Amino acid sequence: DTGVSQDPRHKITKRGQNVTFRCDPISEHNRLYWYRQTLGQGPEFLTYFQNEAQLEKSRLLSDRFSAERPKGSFSTLEIQRTEQGDSAMYLCASRWTGRDTEAFFGQGTRLTVV
Amino acid sequence: SQQGEEDPQALSIQEGENATMNCSYKTSINNLQWYRQNSGRGLVHLILIRSNEREKHSGRLRVTLDTSKKSSSLLITASRAADTASYFCATERGAQKLVFGQGTRLTINP
Repeated sequence: DTGVSQDPRHKITKRGQNVTFRCDPISEHNRLYWYRQTLGQGPEFLTYFQNEAQLEKSRLLSDRFSAERPKGSFSTLEIQRTEQGDSAMYLCASRWTGRDTEAFFGQGTRLTVV
Repeated sequence: SQQGEEDPQALSIQEGENATMNCSYKTSINNLQWYRQNSGRGLVHLILIRSNEREKHSGRLRVTLDTSKKSSSLLITASRAADTASYFCATERGAQKLVFGQGTRLTINP
């Protein structure tokens, strides 16, 4: 499978715990995005990378969220001290650099904070 | 923050009918893209229209773009049960990030 893969697909955690999600993009793509989606809403931009550089981070993203993309390959998204409001689907996407290119999405990681 | 707003929020039609969804946005864009999402899954790219294009076709899909009105429409002709999904428009400025709207939930009734 040469698509975008995310792991885990589902995560249930207790409030206050830390969680980490992984995204493996399509190997030729140098841009990687993280989005968050709650029920009935569209994907909300969190952050994106070009290669290993994190180029933009949403102002909505609290300091509890951190993302990395070492060596410009896979990426991890960590949420520290999870809160019930963090419950959502976390989507990863990758694409070529440049204008007018489509994004390829993974299946997402559904986080439930109890 | 969301850039685009889809209309209607939900649409239910009979199989074989055409479905039209609209998207409005606020700022200038390089392109506008439409994506489909089946329940609980990732998004799948459907079609991209550049800011200098007015209409584009792909199979049963027809997309229009009116930059003067900052709006786009997606038409699905001869709908099928498998078209049941949520549809999102996404806009892009400066080859950076895609900003998604709230989506239209489309239900095709057999």
